Amino acid sequence: QKEVEQDPGPLSVPEGAIVSLNCTYSNSAFQYFMWYRQYSRKGPELLMYTYSSGNKEDGRFTAQVDKSSKYISLFIRDSQPSDSATYLCAPGGDSGNTPLVFGKGTRLSVIA
Amino acid sequence: DGGITQSPKYLFRKEGQNVTLSCEQNLNHDAMYWYRQDPGQGLRLIYYSQIVNDFQKGDIAEGYSVSREKKESFPLTVTSAQKNPTAFYLCASSIVATGELFFGEGSRLTVL
Repeated sequence: QKEVEQDPGPLSVPEGAIVSLNCTYSNSAFQYFMWYRQYSRKGPELLMYTYSSGNKEDGRFTAQVDKSSKYISLFIRDSQPSDSATYLCAPGGDSGNTPLVFGKGTRLSVIA
Repeated sequence: DGGITQSPKYLFRKEGQNVTLSCEQNLNHDAMYWYRQDPGQGLRLIYYSQIVNDFQKGDIAEGYSVSREKKESFPLTVTSAQKNPTAFYLCASSIVATGELFFGEGSRLTVL
């Protein structure tokens, strides 16, 4: 079993839709859970950062972590064409000095 | 402005040649990383360094070499031993123990 599993998509939705992106992971010691957004031909940028289980909301974005099932979700409300990008989940922090482990990324297209 | 600078942005190389990718950061971060990104593969860790004059192999270190002589700099050499070097290379840095990565804009290497 790979350490982080993420459906690569591609995922295409109409503008205004609610988008759900998901990852599963195998290492129960992970403590930090991040979502990065990557536009084409650019470096990834941090979108959401969550510590341990629970929800975190930032504008139209909500990150959800369920450590009991090792499941990470990112919800995008009222999706916009500018949200079209690849979204990478990245759990980490099992020792504090271990590099983040990235999922393969889900490519999202929001159609106007 | 604080950030990570990668150069060159695009690089072409003939088979059998070594090439060095530059990565400089002025964020005063202790840790630096090199990732490789191929279509559908996500980010794969090549090398990382937690402190100056020390570095560790990642998942795909074969055919690559690095040095960390200064805190600000972490160059990556793609050697002729790397069988499939054509890829998008991303450098990142972090404050050790938080795990949050800050990425550069990437370098795209094409082997002719």
